[in-house]
Amino acid sequence: GIQVEQSPPDLILQEGANSTLRCNFSDSVNNLQWFHQNPWGQLINLFYIPSGTKQNGRLSATTVATERYSLLYISSSQTTDSGVYFCAVEHEGNNRLAFGKGNQVVVIP
Amino acid sequence: DAGVIQSPRHEVTEMGQEVTLRCKPISGHNSLFWYRQTMMRGLELLIYFNNNVPIDDSGMPEDRFSAKMPNASFSTLKIQPSEPRDSAVYFCASTSGTGKWGTQYFGPGTRLLVL
Repeated sequence: GIQVEQSPPDLILQEGANSTLRCNFSDSVNNLQWFHQNPWGQLINLFYIPSGTKQNGRLSATTVATERYSLLYISSSQTTDSGVYFCAVEHEGNNRLAFGKGNQVVVIP
Repeated sequence: DAGVIQSPRHEVTEMGQEVTLRCKPISGHNSLFWYRQTMMRGLELLIYFNNNVPIDDSGMPEDRFSAKMPNASFSTLKIQPSEPRDSAVYFCASTSGTGKWGTQYFGPGTRLLVL
């Protein structure tokens, strides 16, 4: 099946700092999505972004499907940004959904 | 709206017992998803429904797992018989789009422990 790798696996940020999370995938995908899981376990949908760039407040995402990667940018990080960020892709070959292992982000005040 | 509602929030059972997890999607949403999260395997999509019809159940691990959606406001995920390796957090999500995409709204999850 398709491999989805996220980097860095762990990241500690000072409040106010910017960061970039990366999602690489090993094959062609139909779709890609970013999720955030807060420290209490709640999952939230951030972006549906099969290609191009989208922005939502301090977060933005860019997917370059031809080069098989997506980036999630966090600007002016806040403690509420802490948690795990997951990338999920729909494999073009079998239409199955595959998740990466996540980027664990801790923002310290 | 109350959001996606899952019950129970926590379940502890013994190996071999039947477990039923319940989900009430957001009113008006026509797609519903069941996910499982474990430390070993991470997040996995088990099954999703569109307009109460199962569309893709390729993620269902084995015959011990079954899911139903008898109407637009209710779905169940059943494990019979349960095994310790089924211990996980099970999430339900719903969306008003079709397929696996669009903005999914997640429930708080059911934390299952099989002893």
